[in-house]
Amino acid sequence: DAMVIQNPRYQVTQFGKPVTLSCSQTLNHNVMYWYQQKSSQAPKLLFHYYDKDFNNEADTPDNFQSRRPNTSFCFLDIRSPGLGDAAMYLCATSRDLGGAERQPQHFGDGTRLSIL
Amino acid sequence: KQEVTQIPAALSVPEGENLVLNCSFTDSAIYNLQWFRQDPGKGLTSLLLIQSSQREQTSGRLNASLDKSSGRSTLYIAASQPGDSATYLCAVKDYGGSQGNLIFGKGTKLSVKP
Repeated sequence: DAMVIQNPRYQVTQFGKPVTLSCSQTLNHNVMYWYQQKSSQAPKLLFHYYDKDFNNEADTPDNFQSRRPNTSFCFLDIRSPGLGDAAMYLCATSRDLGGAERQPQHFGDGTRLSIL
Repeated sequence: KQEVTQIPAALSVPEGENLVLNCSFTDSAIYNLQWFRQDPGKGLTSLLLIQSSQREQTSGRLNASLDKSSGRSTLYIAASQPGDSATYLCAVKDYGGSQGNLIFGKGTKLSVKP
């Protein structure tokens, strides 16, 4: 039944070792988002894809990149993780119909990333 | 720059009480406001979404209101249960960014005691 699926749920990597987090969706939504949430903090948008168009937030570090090979899948790549990148990473989707209203975002269960 | 504030940061109530969670935002130019629930170590579950043209939305024991002009929203939970214990986040979809950014508050951590 899960509609936004994130894998893995927990990821441990070494300082400086590249890591990839994945997100898939069965909702056929055209917009996919990646958020970073540190402990007791609000989720912070890193970037999003509108269809194939990539939109990076101004303050997202260059260390973070993303790929969306098709509608259903989106990946978050962290090239050289630092200790400060340990966080919960949340993927979300929405359907943008182009009108004045914005549809709700649907979130996955997140991937908790730890850095050794 | 849009800022979202949630007060209180934590709330503990006995089972059965009705309660109100508060959310305020600084810029009224929003598309909508969404309330989420987050259980420990989990993702976000959408509870209610109120479009900017609406005043309130209801789902079961939950009722959310929106006063855009004053920059406030409340989430009312009736007859609280221990299973309602979680962190409740509100977020506004504002006009920033190409699709409108979802700006979150830090949440209110609710504990309902049996």
